[in-house]
Amino acid sequence: EAGVTQSPTHLIKTRGQQATLRCSPISGHTSVYWYQQALGLGLQFLLWYDEGEERNRGNFPPRFSGRQFPNYSSELNVNALELEDSALYLCASSGRGSNQPQHFGDGTRLSIL
Amino acid sequence: DAKTTQPPSMDCAEGRAANLPCNHSTISGNEYVYWYRQIHSQGPQYIIHGLKNNETNEMASLIITEDRKSSTLILPHATLRDTAVYYCIVRVSETSYDKVIFGPGTSLSVIP
Repeated sequence: EAGVTQSPTHLIKTRGQQATLRCSPISGHTSVYWYQQALGLGLQFLLWYDEGEERNRGNFPPRFSGRQFPNYSSELNVNALELEDSALYLCASSGRGSNQPQHFGDGTRLSIL
Repeated sequence: DAKTTQPPSMDCAEGRAANLPCNHSTISGNEYVYWYRQIHSQGPQYIIHGLKNNETNEMASLIITEDRKSSTLILPHATLRDTAVYYCIVRVSETSYDKVIFGPGTSLSVIP
């Protein structure tokens, strides 16, 4: 069974640009979660999508947005990039039902120059 | 803020059991205890979770105290590949609500 896949593995942008990160969940999973992990910091919750709808978002500005497609894959968009957006962005998916564990991909390393 | 507290670091001799403690004194009745680990440059890996009963799988055992205010993750025979940051989190996940807060975790070093 394929795990959560994220692309690209690495992404280099400059300040003010826009970045798009992609995530394919485990087959059969309907929920997708996005986290930011800045260097030396813990995982910070960004967004939760389930059945195509945004269910919850963390304490991040509106320039962080995303969507979930009918096939349950997801995109994270970051507009007007700032230097402090440099981080590892992790995607996780979970199956239907209560208390299904989240399974993570290996992330996209976003570097802002 | 994370609802769990863990020691920042621990060492364990290779081949011995690694016992990683976690305090979650404010856990609610419907919150589960989850454990993940993160090896450098990889995404977190799910290990195990439980509500109030002890749980065991092929990776580890989870011991939850009767009052549910603390738990211990046990890796029965630690290997060098178990060196990682271990995260203990409490989480309630329903169809309409899901919130996860990761703390700084415990950095486990397995020593040859």
